[in-house]
Amino acid sequence: DAMVIQNPRYQVTQFGKPVTLSCSQTLNHNVMYWYQQKSSQAPKLLFHYYDKDFNNEADTPDNFQSRRPNTSFCFLDIRSPGLGDAAMYLCATSRVASGVGIQYFGAGTRLSVL
Amino acid sequence: KNEVEQSPQNLTAQEGEFITINCSYSVGISALHWLQQHPGGGIVSLFMLSSGKKKHGRLIATINIQEKHSSLHITASHPRDSAVYICAVIRGGNQFYFGTGTSLTVIP
Repeated sequence: DAMVIQNPRYQVTQFGKPVTLSCSQTLNHNVMYWYQQKSSQAPKLLFHYYDKDFNNEADTPDNFQSRRPNTSFCFLDIRSPGLGDAAMYLCATSRVASGVGIQYFGAGTRLSVL
Repeated sequence: KNEVEQSPQNLTAQEGEFITINCSYSVGISALHWLQQHPGGGIVSLFMLSSGKKKHGRLIATINIQEKHSSLHITASHPRDSAVYICAVIRGGNQFYFGTGTSLTVIP
């Protein structure tokens, strides 16, 4: 059974039209991550939540926001998508033990911007 | 310069061949992950290592902390092993640093 679920798998939006990507987990993990992966590149960490504490990477554009209303759900909001935001967005979770936790990834949402 | 370097970037092998993918890193780490990414994007965590060697089926991962180097080996490769293999290092807390991946194609 899928433990980290991302919806939708494919998302198409228009230039400048806000879009929200969803991630849910059944693992009860403390930490949830959002990564952006562009073609032929490594995933790039955008931000992560440690419980309710939000941690933004220094180079994550302001256009990207996140919400974590409860342990199970985390959302990625792109306020005004540009053509350069077309990418695969990956959600991952981990349960931190002694500072290190295996990350479990969702299948990703592929975002297209028209 | 990326903190995590993988080689080779692309690898084509015949079915049954023994495959090695290498990962070198330049920073102190808590642990290292080997990840597998199939076409379509889903990522699966294969191993997490902080020392020594781990084996799972036909996959073997080793790490040498002193030399800042890890290898992923696939024995008796199969076309279904075709994927991108990504090395990622963990630097304390929850920070992951990813290599750019090795694209493996196994030909029947």
